[in-house]
Amino acid sequence: DIQMTQSPSSLSASVGDRVTITCQASQDISNYLNWYQQKPGKAPKLLIYDASNLETGVPSRFSGSGSGTDFTFTISSLQPEDIATYYCQQYDNLPTFGQGTRLEIK
Amino acid sequence: QVQLVQSGAEVKKPGASVKVSCKASGYTFTSYGISWVRQAPGQGLEWMGWISAYNGNTNYAQKLQGRVTMTTDTSTSTAYMELRSLRSDDTAVYYCARDGGIAAAGWFDPWGQGTLVTVSS
Repeated sequence: DIQMTQSPSSLSASVGDRVTITCQASQDISNYLNWYQQKPGKAPKLLIYDASNLETGVPSRFSGSGSGTDFTFTISSLQPEDIATYYCQQYDNLPTFGQGTRLEIK
Repeated sequence: QVQLVQSGAEVKKPGASVKVSCKASGYTFTSYGISWVRQAPGQGLEWMGWISAYNGNTNYAQKLQGRVTMTTDTSTSTAYMELRSLRSDDTAVYYCARDGGIAAAGWFDPWGQGTLVTVSS
């Protein structure tokens, strides 16, 4: 299995801050990398697919970049409704998820 | 709109089986796959497997091989996930998701509401 190492595991930031989460794959996965947002008690929601493509309807403050083994997810200006856990997921081989980043408001 | 509606919560005894359904609407069912993902209490997401709604091809996570079977009924646009020989560590919320992968799993969007399966004696 391809291992996905996501960091940090938790993050506290203020409204308006720029927030960055990283995901590292154990081998080259090209751009086969997606990002999801999961709010408490809810199903995950796709935000970014193929490393950098914003899903329709997702606010433009969310973005993704990277290829190969190193990927970054960014919220340009944190909003209160962004409080959630964020997961990366690779699909170069059988899918695997990162362990998640819990984002809190400071 | 695209929607996946799952069956209700289940309580099972160790060693039993569970079958969760996932009814799709709002899109051409056979043009996508369905992936199943589970989440143990307070834990992260674990991909379980994928099925093509077009031809029934499947890929399963290695750790579940032999215990899980995924099927579809194209006449009702419904996917099913059966897990056998249940153990306490199978207690989790089980999600189905429309899968955009063509020949294998890809991106998951949208997701069903989740089905809580509790395994307890």
